[in-house]
Amino acid sequence: QQQVKQSPQSLIVQKGGISIINCAYENTAFDYFPWYQQFPGKGPALLIAIRPDVSEKKEGRFTISFNKSAKQFSLHIMDSQPGDSATYFCAASHFGNEKLTFGTGTRLTIIP
Amino acid sequence: GAVVSQHPSWVICKSGTSVKIECRSLDFQATTMFWYRQFPKQSLMLMATSNEGSKATYEQGVEKDKFLINHASLTLSTLTVTSAHPEDSSFYICSARAGYDGELFFGEGSRLTVL
Repeated sequence: QQQVKQSPQSLIVQKGGISIINCAYENTAFDYFPWYQQFPGKGPALLIAIRPDVSEKKEGRFTISFNKSAKQFSLHIMDSQPGDSATYFCAASHFGNEKLTFGTGTRLTIIP
Repeated sequence: GAVVSQHPSWVICKSGTSVKIECRSLDFQATTMFWYRQFPKQSLMLMATSNEGSKATYEQGVEKDKFLINHASLTLSTLTVTSAHPEDSSFYICSARAGYDGELFFGEGSRLTVL
């Protein structure tokens, strides 16, 4: 019930294109869904997060789409740039619990 | 934004020795900090929740006598890997929450290599 499934495992997108990463969860008690960006040898950094009271949240080139009934959420990176090349993790937690359950990660590579 | 600092960023030690990793919240107080372990090209796995002034809560399968956690102040938590072995080699990452409903900040990680 604590699992968060993430796909794809790796993704190659051309510069300027849209990168899409998907996650699905099982635990209906989860109510906080962040996305983290991690560069090699560094800790993860929060990119954007959403709570289930909205279906979409946009911050700059990054958008989270959330489907509560399907228990799925996705990250869209518009106008993808080489600097976006990193590993992306989705995560989920139950407010107050604070313990994040991470997805398996997606290695994104943006090619010129 | 809030910063979480880890030290050392990397450490190499001989098998059988103990290694201490520090996690500090630099500009905020954190009653709770979390310790994760990450193997190459894998996800972050929560090891334990560190609570200031009380015992840490360990996740299932994590040996509490192997991974000693001390959260002596509101800005410092330490993870000690005791009698380290090569299989303990990993990237250890801490995180801390700024405030009750604040963002969770991660440290830069500490890479442990046990020879």
